[in-house]
Amino acid sequence: EAGVAQSPRYKIIEKRQSVAFWCNPISGHATLYWYQQILGQGPKLLIQFQNNGVVDDSQLPKDRFSAERLKGVDSTLKIQPAKLEDSAVYLCASSLLSRTGYTFGSGTRLTVV
Amino acid sequence: GIQVEQSPPDLILQEGANSTLRCNFSDSVNNLQWFHQNPWGQLINLFYIPSGTKQNGRLSATTVATERYSLLYISSSQTTDSGVYFCAVLSQGGSEKLVFGKGTKLTVNP
Repeated sequence: EAGVAQSPRYKIIEKRQSVAFWCNPISGHATLYWYQQILGQGPKLLIQFQNNGVVDDSQLPKDRFSAERLKGVDSTLKIQPAKLEDSAVYLCASSLLSRTGYTFGSGTRLTVV
Repeated sequence: GIQVEQSPPDLILQEGANSTLRCNFSDSVNNLQWFHQNPWGQLINLFYIPSGTKQNGRLSATTVATERYSLLYISSSQTTDSGVYFCAVLSQGGSEKLVFGKGTKLTVNP
């Protein structure tokens, strides 16, 4: 089966610019997650979708971050405007059910200068 | 929220050595996974192991849910085993989300 696809792999932007990341989960996986991983730390959940509804966005900085999952399949994560501290790897994951194994994509490495 | 602690934070081995990585968690969990993050940042799922013991080649894992810990064993380590190993648990109650430890950075020298 195809894995979780993410794009782009790398992105460099200046602070105050906007950026968007795309994720295509494994076919049939109802649950989709966006994680932020800052260098030297473990991934931290930003937002969790169940089909196209938001289950948990308690750690999403909503003043600058937004995410959507149209039609319960693909998802996009946007940052506007970006700050230096947003430099991180943004990981997308999907699972069939929340209690089954998660599969992660390769991630997008964002550098804000 | 649930706390996940991994030890040791760093581990340096010579090729061929064995090692044990530990994960302690503070509450009951529905799911526990071990991941290997390679130098390119990809998180590779090693084990989905909420309880019991599993083996996959040179790697094996044991989770004792009642005592809230899990162990990852690496035998006859190879340089390709280098990277960061993460333990992640699914918290119970409320919105279920995978919570990661800070990881163990393993370096295997030739």
